[in-house]
Amino acid sequence: AQKITQTQPGMFVQEKEAVTLDCTYDTSDPSYGLFWYKQPSSGEMIFLIYQGSYDQQNATEGRYSLNFQKARKSANLVISASQLGDSAMYFCAISPRGSTLGRLYFGRGTQLTVWP
Amino acid sequence: ETGVTQSPTHLIKTRGQQVTLRCSSQSGHNTVSWYQQALGQGPQFIFQYYREEENGRGNFPPRFSGLQFPNYSSELNVNALELDDSALYLCASSLTGTEYNEQFFGPGTRLTVL
Repeated sequence: AQKITQTQPGMFVQEKEAVTLDCTYDTSDPSYGLFWYKQPSSGEMIFLIYQGSYDQQNATEGRYSLNFQKARKSANLVISASQLGDSAMYFCAISPRGSTLGRLYFGRGTQLTVWP
Repeated sequence: ETGVTQSPTHLIKTRGQQVTLRCSSQSGHNTVSWYQQALGQGPQFIFQYYREEENGRGNFPPRFSGLQFPNYSSELNVNALELDDSALYLCASSLTGTEYNEQFFGPGTRLTVL
């Protein structure tokens, strides 16, 4: 069984500040991928960043970085220099290698609001 | 934009009716997955199609069915609609065999069942 837990229903951050969105996961699969998606009010899921379970280094993509702590089963998303356009729902997801190819299991999301 | 398109964008149906949602995958992608996202929830996996065959299914009843066509586009059919079927339906396409089978999502279809 796979489970993603996002404990922060909402987060607020001032423009240009950094923010961390929490994600913990549970899986029995030894090999998996962790993803973060952004969902604006329009509904489309926008891929942000990926971390493989065997990757030694934390993933980074521009202003996004993933703080991966495998032993603690956490995969927090860090957004640096927040922008007003970052306001959206953010979902953490896991994709075990042994399951249906690429199938994603999502958390309930965190609503991020960036204020000026 | 991902190149994945879905139609229609919005749909209103009544209980007991049937609905067909459509998805056109990104060029070169051979796999399509469908997700249901109820209000305030994360997306839930419905099923996946690979090379026109169902390749895995989530915890959804048989009245949720699908098709994939030779051009890799796909349909999601829901029979005997229930009020709880009201949700955003997301289609995602991917290319099986890539490193992590990244899924590219379409804009979704918002279904309201009255």
